[in-house]
Amino acid sequence: SQKIEQNSEALNIQEGKTATLTCNYTNYSPAYLQWYRQDPGRGPVFLLLIRENEKEKRKERLKVTFDTTLKQSLFHITASQPADSATYLCALDMGSSYKLIFGSGTRLLVRP
Amino acid sequence: GAGVSQSPSNKVTEKGKDVELRCDPISGHTALYWYRQSLGQGLEFLIYFQGNSAPDKSGLPSDRFSAERTGGSVSTLTIQRTQQEDSAVYLCASSPNPGGRGQPQHFGDGTRLSIL
Repeated sequence: SQKIEQNSEALNIQEGKTATLTCNYTNYSPAYLQWYRQDPGRGPVFLLLIRENEKEKRKERLKVTFDTTLKQSLFHITASQPADSATYLCALDMGSSYKLIFGSGTRLLVRP
Repeated sequence: GAGVSQSPSNKVTEKGKDVELRCDPISGHTALYWYRQSLGQGLEFLIYFQGNSAPDKSGLPSDRFSAERTGGSVSTLTIQRTQQEDSAVYLCASSPNPGGRGQPQHFGDGTRLSIL
């Protein structure tokens, strides 16, 4: 079965630096890969989606890459701010079904 | 409100009792999803609705779990004879396009269920 791995350890960085979060998966590459942000006590909020034939997608300070050879997606936040502190979830969208397969998320802490 | 609404936000109940969790999706969204999130874990898919039909119930953990959707809108997730392992946050999401691929899902803030 498809598995998805995100670093379970929190990422602690200084404000202004670039945060890089990793999402690795096994078996088949998804048709799409989605990234969500989740704050404590709240539901996930959609951030970005990248298709399997796209190498990179950007939105403001966010950048997502997708390497189907490495079976990996990287999520970057440039010029990080304390308000970026949250848990970030990646999700596989296999394209042949409607459900998303979520990773357990990586917690990001941005120190002022 | 324009977002997905879930109620109650918190529910504490005794083992063996039945509970009902409600989800109001975004108006016009035909697809509705239920997920479960245990502490420190990712989201576990439970069930998907397309309109009032549930093409895939494979994620429901046991026959104590059931869900329905009426009028293509509100959905209720029911857990009978609750067990302590049912304690989790139950999240509902909706998306606009039936069977759409590569569609973001819009989540509610969940119901935090605690079984004593």
